[in-house]
Amino acid sequence: DGGITQSPKYLFRKEGQNVTLSCEQNLNHDAMYWYRQDPGQGLRLIYYSQIVNDFQKGDIAEGYSVSREKKESFPLTVTSAQKNPTAFYLCASSIRPGTKNIQYFGAGTRLSVL
Amino acid sequence: RKEVEQDPGPFNVPEGATVAFNCTYSNSASQSFFWYRQDCRKEPKLLMSVYSSGNEDGRFTAQLNRASQYISLLIRDSKLSDSATYLCVVNGRNTGKLIFGQGTTLQVKP
Repeated sequence: DGGITQSPKYLFRKEGQNVTLSCEQNLNHDAMYWYRQDPGQGLRLIYYSQIVNDFQKGDIAEGYSVSREKKESFPLTVTSAQKNPTAFYLCASSIRPGTKNIQYFGAGTRLSVL
Repeated sequence: RKEVEQDPGPFNVPEGATVAFNCTYSNSASQSFFWYRQDCRKEPKLLMSVYSSGNEDGRFTAQLNRASQYISLLIRDSKLSDSATYLCVVNGRNTGKLIFGQGTTLQVKP
């Protein structure tokens, strides 16, 4: 089945630790996105990638890093510089870049700080 | 002013009721509009795109009012399974990005 797979489903971070969230898609989509959702709030864009080997900062990129070495994969690293990382992280993809194209989401990763 | 604003609710309605949500947006140049549904602790899923002429999908009807800069979602004959949070999504000033509203929570009661 085609889709977007995020792992792990739950992740715990210790102080000063970097953690990486995985996002893989087999939809052959060009564009991929990372969002953060806090309770009672809308999704906020962290980073997005329109094509392999290219990515742009979203609205809240500080403390995060990404890579896009393969079309299928867009991992997100939450660095120790992100002081409030506890949130629900959602990866999405769309067939092409641009806001006319529907974004499809993975099941998300819940990150908590120990 | 937020780029996309929704009444968070919750809207509590009995089964069979008709309920409507509005969402206002600030960018008059916006061209893309969507409604997503998000169940508790799950990912958002596309409910419907919103077209200028309005569109209907079964019990769901979406409308766009460009003059007043809002979109609406009407749900007829509410089912228990309609209980969820409904996210309004609009393209922002940077046209490469979608802006998500905080969502409107609907609770349908038996």
